[in-house]
Amino acid sequence: DVKVTQSSRYLVKRTGEKVFLECVQDMDHENMFWYRQDPGLGLRLIYFSYDVKMKEKGDIPEGYSVSREKKERFSLILESASTNQTSMYLCASMAHGNTEAFFGQGTRLTVV
Amino acid sequence: SQQGEEDPQALSIQEGENATMNCSYKTSINNLQWYRQNSGRGLVHLILIRSNEREKHSGRLRVTLDTSKKSSSLLITASRAADTASYFCATDGRGTYKYIFGTGTRLKVLA
Repeated sequence: DVKVTQSSRYLVKRTGEKVFLECVQDMDHENMFWYRQDPGLGLRLIYFSYDVKMKEKGDIPEGYSVSREKKERFSLILESASTNQTSMYLCASMAHGNTEAFFGQGTRLTVV
Repeated sequence: SQQGEEDPQALSIQEGENATMNCSYKTSINNLQWYRQNSGRGLVHLILIRSNEREKHSGRLRVTLDTSKKSSSLLITASRAADTASYFCATDGRGTYKYIFGTGTRLKVLA
């Protein structure tokens, strides 16, 4: 079974903190994605990566950065957390050829 | 934003009825996929339809694709209470690895 694991299910951070969200997949997928999900807005793409050390901005990259040093791991970084970054964060991976995406269980981040 | 849209935003039906939800997208695609999300969980893949296909079936699911209108529909026949979930379409843009989801339809099936 494909497994995408996000490091935390729930996270509470203070405004201004630097926050790391980690995602690991075990299927040697080339593509990895970070989305945030807010009520009524669906999933919005923050960043994606199609290979090690490669990254591209999604639709809402402001306030975020990413790191992909190893193929299996894709990290989302909130440089200085703000309350408007309180959200559900979902990581996904997919093989080249766009068959299907596999999702982690999500990290519900609250910034206070 | 390249985000697609789904309608309706929410749908409430009786068990045994059919549920239809629609998705519109903005760019040329290689394929379109539908996912289900149970409350508070990650998304699960349901079905994929390629850009050169017009209709596809999988069990109680029927998906149509109209690339000229940049739209797709998902039909769930003979719905069950267990079908209660949010449903999302997702598209890949041609020539890119970008993978965009729609805004979702919340389906509630009443027993």
